[in-house]
Amino acid sequence: GENVEQHPSTLSVQEGDSAVIKCTYSDSASNYFPWYKQELGKRPQLIIDIRSNVGEKKDQRIAVTLNKTAKHFSLHITETQPEDSAVYFCAALKAGSGGYQKVTFGIGTKLQVIP
Amino acid sequence: NAGVTQTPKFQVLKTGQSMTLQCAQDMNHNSMYWYRQDPGMGLRLIYYSASEGTTDKGEVPNGYNVSRLNKREFSLRLESAAPSQTSVYFCASSPGTVSNQPQHFGDGTRLSIL
Repeated sequence: GENVEQHPSTLSVQEGDSAVIKCTYSDSASNYFPWYKQELGKRPQLIIDIRSNVGEKKDQRIAVTLNKTAKHFSLHITETQPEDSAVYFCAALKAGSGGYQKVTFGIGTKLQVIP
Repeated sequence: NAGVTQTPKFQVLKTGQSMTLQCAQDMNHNSMYWYRQDPGMGLRLIYYSASEGTTDKGEVPNGYNVSRLNKREFSLRLESAAPSQTSVYFCASSPGTVSNQPQHFGDGTRLSIL
């Protein structure tokens, strides 16, 4: 089955610096890669996603890159702010039978932005 | 627009008690999912329902049962709760017709088994 590895498990950056979180996946059939942000005690919320036919996507201060050949994708946050502090999860999805999405999550990265 | 609604938000049970966690979505999604989240282990799929009338086991189904009551509602039942089932449970839904669309999560149920 699919295996998603996420690094680092914890990351501390100074406010204003950039943060990069990396994920690798094993199943070449995976074709959709969302990133979720989870604040303490809250639900995971989608912040950005990328499909397998795209190499890079940007939304204001966040961007995601995908290298299908190497089977890895990364989340980039620029000009970090204290409110970016949270746990970030990557995921890899492929189609299962009957419309089911077979999704595998990374174990998460706890990002701390130091004011 | 509420999205995915879970009840209850918190619950404490004694070992051996039973309980049903409720989930409802108002986005007309076909597929629904139950996950558990434990420290250091990310989100693990318990059961899913690809469409109304179908349910299947995920990665960690032991000790749980599910019911897809209708298109909107998907419940998770613990028949005889065990301390190992102490966790945060998230329900999610997705359109279900294609794989490249995000899942939407509820606020979670924090369950403690004593």
